[in-house]
Amino acid sequence: QKEVEQDPGPLSVPEGAIVSLNCTYSNSAFQYFMWYRQYSRKGPELLMYTYSSGNKEDGRFTAQVDKSSKYISLFIRDSQPSDSATYLCAMSEAGNQFYFGTGTSLTVIP
Amino acid sequence: DSGVTQTPKHLITATGQRVTLRCSPRSGDLSVYWYQQSLDQGLQFLIQYYNGEERAKGNILERFSAQQFPDLHSELNLSSLELGDSALYFCASSIQGASYNEQFFGPGTRLTVL
Repeated sequence: QKEVEQDPGPLSVPEGAIVSLNCTYSNSAFQYFMWYRQYSRKGPELLMYTYSSGNKEDGRFTAQVDKSSKYISLFIRDSQPSDSATYLCAMSEAGNQFYFGTGTSLTVIP
Repeated sequence: DSGVTQTPKHLITATGQRVTLRCSPRSGDLSVYWYQQSLDQGLQFLIQYYNGEERAKGNILERFSAQQFPDLHSELNLSSLELGDSALYFCASSIQGASYNEQFFGPGTRLTVL
C-alpha cells in the first residue's frame, strides 16, 4: 500500500466551478501537509501548507486536513483557466521527508 | 522562476552508463533536496543535504549518489543506468534544514535511458 493515494484524474471543469482535490494516507503520524501545483514542463510550486488538523484559506484556495479520517482536501473556488495544472499533495511526519501523491491533472475550460 | 537552476535540461544516454545532474540552489538557501518523478510512482524523495552534510535519505538506490559542495551547489550521480531510471529529476532548495520550510523547485532534468 502506498503511503499517499491520490486520484490521478484527469479532472475537467468549466470556468468558475468549485474544484475539490483529495488525498488519503495511511500513516497516522503525518503532521505536515502541503499542496503543490505543477504546470507542464515546470517544477512544483508550493500552494498551501498546513500543520496538523484544520482548515487554511488563502484567496481562492482552501486546504482541509482531517487526521481522524486520514484525508486531506484542496478546494479551489471560482476556478480559472490559469488553474489548469497538476496538483500534488505531500505529507510528512517530522518535516524532513515528504511523501507525495501521484498528482491530479486539472483542466479548467473557458 | 524559482531561482533554482538545474543542468542539463535534457539528457539521453544508454543503459549501463553514468551521468551527473547538477543543481544550484537559490541564493542563501542551505538545503538541497533531490526528487525523482515518474508517471507511475509520482514524485519520490531521494536525498537531502544541508550545508554540505547529508540530512535525510529517502528511496535512493545504491547506484545513485549525491553530494553538496562548499559553494552549496549539488550533484546527483546516477550509475549503471537502467531503462527504469528514465524520469524527471528535480532539485529543490530551502533556507533551513527542516523541509517543512518552503521548498523551491528547479525546472528539472529529463533523463532518457535507451
